[in-house]
Amino acid sequence: GNSVTQMEGPVTLSEEAFLTINCTYTATGYPSLFWYVQYPGEGLQLLLKATKADDKGSNKGFEATYRKETTSFHLEKGSVQVSDSAVYFCALSARNTGTASKLTFGTGTRLQVTL
Amino acid sequence: DTAVSQTPKYLVTQMGNDKSIKCEQNLGHDTMYWYKQDSKKFLKIMFSYNNKELIINETVPNRFSPKSPDKAHLNLHINSLELGDSAVYFCASSRGGAGGPISYNEQFFGPGTRLTVL
Repeated sequence: GNSVTQMEGPVTLSEEAFLTINCTYTATGYPSLFWYVQYPGEGLQLLLKATKADDKGSNKGFEATYRKETTSFHLEKGSVQVSDSAVYFCALSARNTGTASKLTFGTGTRLQVTL
Repeated sequence: DTAVSQTPKYLVTQMGNDKSIKCEQNLGHDTMYWYKQDSKKFLKIMFSYNNKELIINETVPNRFSPKSPDKAHLNLHINSLELGDSAVYFCASSRGGAGGPISYNEQFFGPGTRLTVL
């Protein structure tokens, strides 16, 4: 079956530090890959996505590249801000013929950014 | 102009009661979903409907019954609530399901309903 593995949190960084949150996946076929963010007390928001190998998704200074050879989709940001403090979820959506699209999520990584 | 809305936002109830959570989307999407987020933040899909037809039904107790009166609404009814049902329930929608363009898979989430069973 499909699965997503994320690095354990929490991740605590000082403002302006470099962020990497690792994500690897197992899937049949060619999945689409997503990063969602959940701010405290809120629902999930799509942060970025990539739909095929070597695609780079980017948004709000965050980037992730779809690496088929290493089955990875690591999230990076060059300089984090306090407002980036949230839980980040890596997810995949596999396009298996005859079945519906559904998201398989990683366990989430909490990011805490301090001044 | 909320895209995916859920009611109520908070729900506190006693064990054994029956309750419903409602979800509505105004995005014109064909597919809607229910996810459960447990206390450790783990998210797992429960159900999905496409044009009022059930297309995903994960291993969920049959006390949980989704109902889709039209493609813009997907409600979740829970019978005989148990302590373990306490969680945050998220509704989501996407333009399509399997077979369409990949962009159709992008899911938009509601704000969640925090259910607490006492």
